[in-house]
Amino acid sequence: DAMVIQNPRYQVTQFGKPVTLSCSQTLNHNVMYWYQQKSSQAPKLLFHYYDKDFNNEADTPDNFQSRRPNTSFCFLDIRSPGLGDAAMYLCATSTRPTSGGTDTQYFGPGTRLTVL
Amino acid sequence: AQSVSQHNHHVILSEAASLELGCNYSYGGTVNLFWYVQYPGQHLQLLLKYFSGDPLVKGIKGFEAEFIKSKFSFNLRKPSVQWSDTAEYFCAVKTKGDYKLSFGAGTTVTVRA
Repeated sequence: DAMVIQNPRYQVTQFGKPVTLSCSQTLNHNVMYWYQQKSSQAPKLLFHYYDKDFNNEADTPDNFQSRRPNTSFCFLDIRSPGLGDAAMYLCATSTRPTSGGTDTQYFGPGTRLTVL
Repeated sequence: AQSVSQHNHHVILSEAASLELGCNYSYGGTVNLFWYVQYPGQHLQLLLKYFSGDPLVKGIKGFEAEFIKSKFSFNLRKPSVQWSDTAEYFCAVKTKGDYKLSFGAGTTVTVRA
């Protein structure tokens, strides 16, 4: 089945220690997204890639970076995690949105990040 | 960007009861509308979506939603819930052509056997 895969499912890091989360997809979608979801809150978009074109949301902290080496993979790097960065990180993919479009975002299972 | 409101934070029902979850959004332009469900310990899954046409859309597991443009609403319904419908439900809205999907805060539904 075509899907969005995230590794690891659970990640524990120390305050200030860089961490990388991984996402891969077999849907061959040209758009990939990273969301942050804190407990009992809605997912919040951090950034997205359309192919290799990176688009940061205005309120995404500089501490969060992303890389997309190819169509299938996308990484979320947190350079210096703080306690407030503990959350579920969701990866999603879609086809490119168009004005008449029917694009739908499909989500991976998420990586739960704990910061000690 | 869209603002999405879900009216109920937590709903508790008995099995076989009917369910209706409210969702309103802020923008009056052309939108795509979605309901996602997150079962305990699982990932966000698409329940149903509306792009155009018939405002009453049917999704998986017996869910349906009605788009009422004049009320900026996209309410989710199920006539008879089961214990397995216990989950968190998110309404999401996207302006056509935009990348950003805006989510409501979610409604936790607990179905008691």
